[in-house]
Amino acid sequence: NAGVTQTPKFRILKIGQSMTLQCTQDMNHNYMYWYRQDPGMGLKLIYYSVGAGITDKGEVPNGYNVSRSTTEDFPLRLELAAPSQTSVYFCASSPDGTDYEQYFGPGTRLTVT
Amino acid sequence: RKEVEQDPGPFNVPEGATVAFNCTYSNSASQSFFWYRQDCRKEPKLLMSVYSSGNEDGRFTAQLNRASQYISLLIRDSKLSDSATYLCVVDDMRFGAGTRLTVKP
Repeated sequence: NAGVTQTPKFRILKIGQSMTLQCTQDMNHNYMYWYRQDPGMGLKLIYYSVGAGITDKGEVPNGYNVSRSTTEDFPLRLELAAPSQTSVYFCASSPDGTDYEQYFGPGTRLTVT
Repeated sequence: RKEVEQDPGPFNVPEGATVAFNCTYSNSASQSFFWYRQDCRKEPKLLMSVYSSGNEDGRFTAQLNRASQYISLLIRDSKLSDSATYLCVVDDMRFGAGTRLTVKP
């Protein structure tokens, strides 16, 4: 049982480049989330989805886009990368929203230079 | 006031010590509360949910105080393996900044 998988594990981008962070879960969870974690800080919600075809902004959505065409996949798109987007990105899923555990992927470490 | 605030730490304690962390939240209507554990350079993992009546899991006890709007985590008989960052989570998606715990021999 793979759980939540994320690719790539590491990536270095130049300013202005774009990329997509992949996230897949095999637990048939409805809810999926994208967070970023800056050094020494907690997680900040970027976007979330309550089911296929539905996405909503979180606390820090600027500079990012998401889509949810299937239950399993929730890719995060970075357009015009900036140094402020250097961070660790975690994808998570849960069966439902409130009251349910979130299962996290191993993270993607992104550096923008 | 931040939505979720935690004791800044770091906490450095000897093995066998009892240590407690608090986490305050700003929304009085909040319904769900969790403690997650995060090891260095790893993803967060659920430690325990926090129920209204309080709950215990081995050496760990979590409590909720709705009147004062905080949750707490008590760790008894600390082990070296308890060294980690402890994150409180409110309403599914609001994370505190974390409290770092180091247990020393």
